[in-house]
Order: sequence, then structure tokens, then C-alpha cells
Amino acid sequence: AQSVTQLGSHVSVSEGALVLLRCNYSSSVPPYLFWYVQYPNQGLQLLLKYTTGATLVKGINGFEAEFKKSETSFHLTKPSAHMSDAAEYFCAVSDGTSGSRLTFGEGTQLTVNP
Amino acid sequence: KAGVTQTPRYLIKTRGQQVTLSCSPISGHRSVSWYQQTPGQGLQFLFEYFSETQRNKGNFPGRFSGRQFSNSRSEMNVSTLELGDSALYLCASSRQGADYGYTFGSGTRLTVV
Repeated sequence: AQSVTQLGSHVSVSEGALVLLRCNYSSSVPPYLFWYVQYPNQGLQLLLKYTTGATLVKGINGFEAEFKKSETSFHLTKPSAHMSDAAEYFCAVSDGTSGSRLTFGEGTQLTVNP
Repeated sequence: KAGVTQTPRYLIKTRGQQVTLSCSPISGHRSVSWYQQTPGQGLQFLFEYFSETQRNKGNFPGRFSGRQFSNSRSEMNVSTLELGDSALYLCASSRQGADYGYTFGSGTRLTVV
């Protein structure tokens, strides 16, 4: 079985500050990991994904995430927050053995203060 | 290119009725999945279809069903609606499956009264 834990349901940062959203996963096999963002009244948009290879993954809108197997983590970062980054962020895992099922974390609501 | 299109965007139904939601995936995408999103349970997997076959199913009662057509368009049906079925239903498509990253539609907001 696979699971995802996102630490902190709400994160608040100032505009221009570092964004750090935490995600830890549990998977019995090498995982595929994803970060999605959801704006109000919209679906989910893929920010970035880790499948194999380089452990530092760059995504859209200046976001990146680092896969750390030893810590079973896949934290999302952005050096400088922008007001438009305010949204809900979801970490998800797929282990490739359960068909095509994504298991999502509970989400982190990011607030960016001016 | 066109994204994933879900219709309708909003729906209000009465308890006991049934409802059908539609999803048109991105052209060339053969995998279509459905997720239910609620404030209490978060995002939960319903089922996935690939080339008209259900490849995976989540832990939902039999009232929830789906199908996929030869053009990859998909529908999901919920019978005997309950108040707890009120949710945002999201459809996602991919060329091969979740491992490649899904593109999600904007969802159908179902309210059961």
C-alpha cells in the first residue's frame, strides 16, 4: 500500500520569501511522485513529477522538488513566492503496480501575504 | 491543444436520483481516471479506464460506475444519490496512465439535496 503525508495543512509566507511545502510518502516499491496545484473552482494542474533519474526535479512557475529516498520525502520549494502562487498544493504517489491509481496527500493551502 | 473537458460544470440533484457525468480527454490519451474531491475525505480514486477497459477501481460502492467509449470519452454514473455524494468530481487523462502525469479537467460540482 502507498500513502502520502503532507505536513501542514496551511502555510503562510510573505511575498518574495521561500516557499517550502513538505511531503513524505510510503511505498513498497520505487515510487513515481507528483506535485499538483489547484486554484479555486478549478481542476488540478501538474507542477512537476519524479519518475526515475535526477532527484532534483524542476517544474513550472519556478517550483522544484527533491526526491530523497533515505528520508522518503519529496518536498516542494520555490525561492521567491509570488501572490499568484496562492493556491492548494497536493503531493501524490503512484507505485506503478496498482494500475494507474494516484494516492493524494490531504493538501496544503498556501497563502502569500503582501 | 484542447484540454480535458468535463460536462456539466455544475449539477443539482435530489436524493435518490441518478446522474451521469461526462469527460472528453485530450486527443490521443487512452487512460481516463475519475476522482472524487470532498472537504472531509480529500481526493479519492474512483476508477480508471484504458482502451475501453476498466483497469483499476477504488473503494466506492457499486452505485458508482463508469465506462469508456472507443473514442476514449468517458462517463461516470451514480445511482440512488445520497447527500454524501455531493462533491467535485474530477476527470483526468493521460497517454498511458498515472505514471506519466495526468491532465485534469475543471470538474463537475455535484450537489445532492
